[in-house]
Amino acid sequence: GENVEQHPSTLSVQEGDSAVIKCTYSDSASNYFPWYKQELGKGPQLIIDIRSNVGEKKDQRIAVTLNKTAKHFSLHITETQPEDSAVYFCAAARGSARQLTFGSGTQLTVLP
Amino acid sequence: GAVVSQHPSWVICKSGTSVKIECRSLDFQATTMFWYRQFPKQSLMLMATSNEGSKATYEQGVEKDKFLINHASLTLSTLTVTSAHPEDSSFYICSARSELQAPTYEQYFGPGTRLTVT
Repeated sequence: GENVEQHPSTLSVQEGDSAVIKCTYSDSASNYFPWYKQELGKGPQLIIDIRSNVGEKKDQRIAVTLNKTAKHFSLHITETQPEDSAVYFCAAARGSARQLTFGSGTQLTVLP
Repeated sequence: GAVVSQHPSWVICKSGTSVKIECRSLDFQATTMFWYRQFPKQSLMLMATSNEGSKATYEQGVEKDKFLINHASLTLSTLTVTSAHPEDSSFYICSARSELQAPTYEQYFGPGTRLTVT
């Protein structure tokens, strides 16, 4: 099955700085890579996703890059704000069932 | 759009009793619903996948007789934890997907249900 590794597990940045979270996946057949933000006591919220036929996608302060050859993808948050503080999960999906396999999560703290 | 609700948001039950959690898609028809379990400071682990009108498919290691899943309509799925024990205490999250138009990867997550078994 698919295995998704995520790093770092915790990340602290100063407000205004950039944050980068990285994930690697094991199954070369995976073709959908979403990122979720989860606030304490709430369900995950999709913030951005990328398909395997695209190398980069951007939405305002958030961007995701995908390197299929190396089987890794990254989340980039620029101009971080305190409200960006949360746990971020990457995931990968493949096949007809299109089930998600999640990474272990990154606790991002943006210091004011 | 694409709102998923769960009820209750939190529940406390005594060991040995059963508890039912509801997952509803409010503004779309969910052909597939997923149930996840999340322990504190850990990731989401898929428990089962259910398609409307069909039996759920459980992940390896998940007891189907303990975690009963019903997906009787396109807007409602239920998870019943039978004979709950303290080790079942966790955050249970559902998600829903609609493929009435075309296959899709996108899942919409509910807010989660915190189960505490005493």
